[in-house]
Amino acid sequence: GQNIDQPTEMTATEGAIVQINCTYQTSGFNGLFWYQQHAGEAPTFLSYNVLDGLEEKGRFSSFLSRSKGYSYLLLKELQMKDSASYLCAVSPRPGGSYIPTFGRGTSLIVHP
Amino acid sequence: DGGITQSPKYLFRKEGQNVTLSCEQNLNHDAMYWYRQDPGQGLRLIYYSQIVNDFQKGDIAEGYSVSREKKESFPLTVTSAQKNPTAFYLCASSRDPGVINEQFFGPGTRLTVL
Repeated sequence: GQNIDQPTEMTATEGAIVQINCTYQTSGFNGLFWYQQHAGEAPTFLSYNVLDGLEEKGRFSSFLSRSKGYSYLLLKELQMKDSASYLCAVSPRPGGSYIPTFGRGTSLIVHP
Repeated sequence: DGGITQSPKYLFRKEGQNVTLSCEQNLNHDAMYWYRQDPGQGLRLIYYSQIVNDFQKGDIAEGYSVSREKKESFPLTVTSAQKNPTAFYLCASSRDPGVINEQFFGPGTRLTVL
């Protein structure tokens, strides 16, 4: 089967750095996605990791360790608009289909 | 502007009625998907389609039906057999079927069954 774990909720201060972790167990590995979802809105793509290491994109970075089944999303210089849910998704899903399976998401609250 | 649209944004229905949720994309994507999201839950896959006139069940297909008669459209019908239909429904699309790539999501439809 497949198991994806993320913390349910995190809080942080505007201007700070926050790290959101995701651990997974899967048979085989195609890649790991991070999406951002504001309340009541559509998820939007943030990053995709398939190889070990850090991918940086502006204020957001994503790290992957395939051997440890571990990823994190790093958000720097936090802004109030970063308050959202962050979804980790891993491919393949059980049965081998390429379509990723989503974790429950981490709700990030940024306060002044 | 290319994108994926869902309508309506809010939908209310009486228990026992079937309801169809619309999903249209003009991104020329081959693959389309339907997800259900409940509070505190991740996205759960209902159905997906990799090509016109073909679709596959996801993890929670019972009580739902779909069609894919056109590349641009992938409507979802929530039938009276679905025991807990009240939820936020998200449609998505992606470029190449059978290959892992990012999904583009519509704005969602919040269905409430009274």
